[in-house]
Amino acid sequence: EVQLLESGGGLVQPGGSLRLSCVGSGFTLSSYAMSWVRQAPGKGLEWVSAVSDSGGSTEYADSVKGRFTISRDNSKNTLFLQMNSLRAEDTAVYYCGKADCGGDCRLIDYWGQGSLVTVSS
Amino acid sequence: DIQMTQSPSTLSASVGDRVTITCRASQNVNSWLAWFQQKPGKAPNLLIHKASTLQTGVPSRFSGSGSGTEFTLTISSLQPDDFATYYCQQYNTYSRTFGQGTKVEIK
Repeated sequence: EVQLLESGGGLVQPGGSLRLSCVGSGFTLSSYAMSWVRQAPGKGLEWVSAVSDSGGSTEYADSVKGRFTISRDNSKNTLFLQMNSLRAEDTAVYYCGKADCGGDCRLIDYWGQGSLVTVSS
Repeated sequence: DIQMTQSPSTLSASVGDRVTITCRASQNVNSWLAWFQQKPGKAPNLLIHKASTLQTGVPSRFSGSGSGTEFTLTISSLQPDDFATYYCQQYNTYSRTFGQGTKVEIK
């Protein structure tokens, strides 16, 4: 059974940094592209970032470009999201998602349970 | 960026009703369109991909159609477990845009 477990969320002050992790099980993470998607409280879904299966290709939404960095450690079946220069509008539940294939595949077929990030002073 | 517009934003329906949700793209996304169901406090769940392909394990009362810029999600006979929010998403371009969501409520 495919499972994704996020961690690392919490309360951070504006301008601060946070690193999210997502550990995958039940599949070989190195064979699949991965994404982060967020959802602000009471709002809809917003794609944030994606990384290819090898980690060699990354993509970012304009709203986070230059502040967030996606990476992966395939040896540990783990996906990361380093978030710097955080703003109040980054407050959201952050979901990691597994793509349905490798390369730069875009369709997310499995989602983690989410990790809440709150940016507030 | 491609904009995705869903209608209606809220839908009130009864068990057994046939329900249709529309998703319009501001540009051609071919058939690279997915539908997700989300219940409160839970992660989204993939229902349909490539506009009309039912994800494994999803009940056959769900169906999708369309291509290009206009798409529909249909629930043939609404069940109690189907009251949720539904999102469309285009994955034709890197921006992977979601619609704003359609909440299906009990009438």
